[in-house]
Amino acid sequence: AQSVTQLDSHVSVSEGTPVLLRCNYSSSYSPSLFWYVQHPNKGLQLLLKYTSAATLVKGINGFEAEFKKSETSFHLTKPSAHMSDAAEYFCVVTRDSNYQLIWGAGTKLIIKP
Amino acid sequence: DGGITQSPKYLFRKEGQNVTLSCEQNLNHDAMYWYRQDPGQGLRLIYYSQIVNDFQKGDIAEGYSVSREKKESFPLTVTSAQKNPTAFYLCASSLKGSGGTEAFFGQGTRLTVV
Repeated sequence: AQSVTQLDSHVSVSEGTPVLLRCNYSSSYSPSLFWYVQHPNKGLQLLLKYTSAATLVKGINGFEAEFKKSETSFHLTKPSAHMSDAAEYFCVVTRDSNYQLIWGAGTKLIIKP
Repeated sequence: DGGITQSPKYLFRKEGQNVTLSCEQNLNHDAMYWYRQDPGQGLRLIYYSQIVNDFQKGDIAEGYSVSREKKESFPLTVTSAQKNPTAFYLCASSLKGSGGTEAFFGQGTRLTVV
């Protein structure tokens, strides 16, 4: 069965420092993986997605993620945090061979001035 | 502009009432979804539909009902049978039901039972 684990419920970084949000998944086949961002009381926006092409995926707002099959990880990074990055981030994996999405519990990113 | 519109943004329900949440999309997407979001949890799938006049239960369908009479509309009814309906509800759509397809989300409806 597929599952997603976001290893940190909260991450706090200072503005201008790197961001690392960790995600591990389990899947019995080659999954598609996504990162979504949600600002308070808003809908979700796709940051980036991996669909078996390049393992390093670049997304919007300077974020990127690397698919590591050997580690079953899909961590989200950004070289320099900005105050506007404060939000909740969700790692998502597709379920089996259909279109259903399995969601991680989310990581709240806090940016300190 | 193309997108997904959910209404209302905030909804209050008395115990024992049914309420209907609206979701409309003008993206010409085939697939539509309803999710429930609770604090500290990821999204949980309530119902989904891949085509007009057809829909399937997700992981937490009990106490909810949907219809898909038109491609662009996928309303969700929260019935009195739903024991804990207070939550944030998100509607989404995607071009077609395939694993690598991006889902687009509405802005959500916050439902509170009073």
